[in-house]
Amino acid sequence: DAKTTQPTSMDCAEGRAANLPCNHSTISGNEYVYWYRQIHSQGPQYIIHGLKNNETNEMASLIITEDRKSSTLILPHATLRDTAVYYCIVRVRGSGGSNYKLTFGKGTLLTVNP
Amino acid sequence: NAGVMQNPRHLVRRRGQEARLRCSPMKGHSHVYWYRQLPEEGLKFMVYLQKENIIDESGMPKERFSAEFPKEGPSILRIQQVVRGDSAAYFCASSPGQGAGSPLHFGNGTRLTVT
Repeated sequence: DAKTTQPTSMDCAEGRAANLPCNHSTISGNEYVYWYRQIHSQGPQYIIHGLKNNETNEMASLIITEDRKSSTLILPHATLRDTAVYYCIVRVRGSGGSNYKLTFGKGTLLTVNP
Repeated sequence: NAGVMQNPRHLVRRRGQEARLRCSPMKGHSHVYWYRQLPEEGLKFMVYLQKENIIDESGMPKERFSAEFPKEGPSILRIQQVVRGDSAAYFCASSPGQGAGSPLHFGNGTRLTVT
């Protein structure tokens, strides 16, 4: 699976948009980009995933560059409860191999400040 | 819909005892995964199971650890003769399918403390 690179930490003001970058320059055409977050003492929470196109749901938006080498997770109006570690993960598409696994890195600690 | 349910939330065991961690997947999900998170470390894959089958246990320690997902009932992660190094948060996840388009949904974990 392709590796990802994320900043160790970021700060964001409450009410502003939080833009979390992720580099995945070795991503293959058959790999999805997934985002999860982990709030202290809780289990990882699924946020969003995408393959090529930008995606939006009730939690966030995912912007994937045209060359797919990087992506940005956008939380449009960050709240204090969005303080968490955010993980960007690439996952192989298809039914073969070990695509069922999610391999977590160190992620980005996002701190939302009042 | 109820999410992934794990129990107990906290478990304290003395060295040498057995620990049994339970995971009930989301309704309609037949794929279960176990992850471990040691203090101040990342999440590490342990094992992937489908009903009555272990598909991948490459992340499981070779000794003392076992997992099952029977036809009926929850998935069980069993740790025999626990040692202090087993103290960690153990997370279970489930998904409806195996494909990369099926997100894993995690429970809130069992925190095991070995004294």
